[in-house]
Amino acid sequence: GAVVSQHPSRVICKSGTSVKIECRSLDFQATTMFWYRQFPKQSLMLMATSNEGSKATYEQGVEKDKFLINHASLTLSTLTVTSAHPEDSSFYICSARTGGRALANEQFFGPGTRLTVL
Amino acid sequence: GDSVTQMEGPVTLSEEAFLTINCTYTATGYPSLFWYVQYPGEGLQLLLKATKADDKGSNKGFEATYRKETTSFHLEKGSVQVSDSAVYFCALVANNAGNMLTFGGGTRLMVKP
Repeated sequence: GAVVSQHPSRVICKSGTSVKIECRSLDFQATTMFWYRQFPKQSLMLMATSNEGSKATYEQGVEKDKFLINHASLTLSTLTVTSAHPEDSSFYICSARTGGRALANEQFFGPGTRLTVL
Repeated sequence: GDSVTQMEGPVTLSEEAFLTINCTYTATGYPSLFWYVQYPGEGLQLLLKATKADDKGSNKGFEATYRKETTSFHLEKGSVQVSDSAVYFCALVANNAGNMLTFGGGTRLMVKP
């Protein structure tokens, strides 16, 4: 089946530093990738949608200068949390879909990245 | 707008008990409906799905039927196992939503031996 990986799985950083999270589709080309944020014991909140080769579309309330998204190829999207602060600590999950599948609205999720900002 | 409502957890059951997790939705048109499962420390995995009214999605002993008349997609399993302990999310994609998933709040299931 379609596999999505994320790297790193866990990251701990100091306040003020930037952290990059990678999301890769391993066996399919992802025309669209989604980034979600999940707070403890809560549901997923969509942060942004990115299409390969174009700028990401951010959801209301998500700072695009804070959460930089790059979808440079059909298999890779990156989320960079700039100048991270403790309130950015969360579980970040990406998902990907391919326009080539019969069920075009199916998303495949990565395993998530837990970010802890000290 | 589109929304998904799930029963609040946690749901605590003994092994081999019957499971129902309620899910209702609000959406225009005919959305596709999904159940995802999240095991501790992991991302989401698609459990089952249904794309039109009266479809029944099933996987690993879990079932859910797309009920247009009651706008529901309740998750059921006849006999739960300890390994089913996880958080379950009901979700939809509206047919005009550009593949954007709308999630319910999640229901934590704990199965005791």
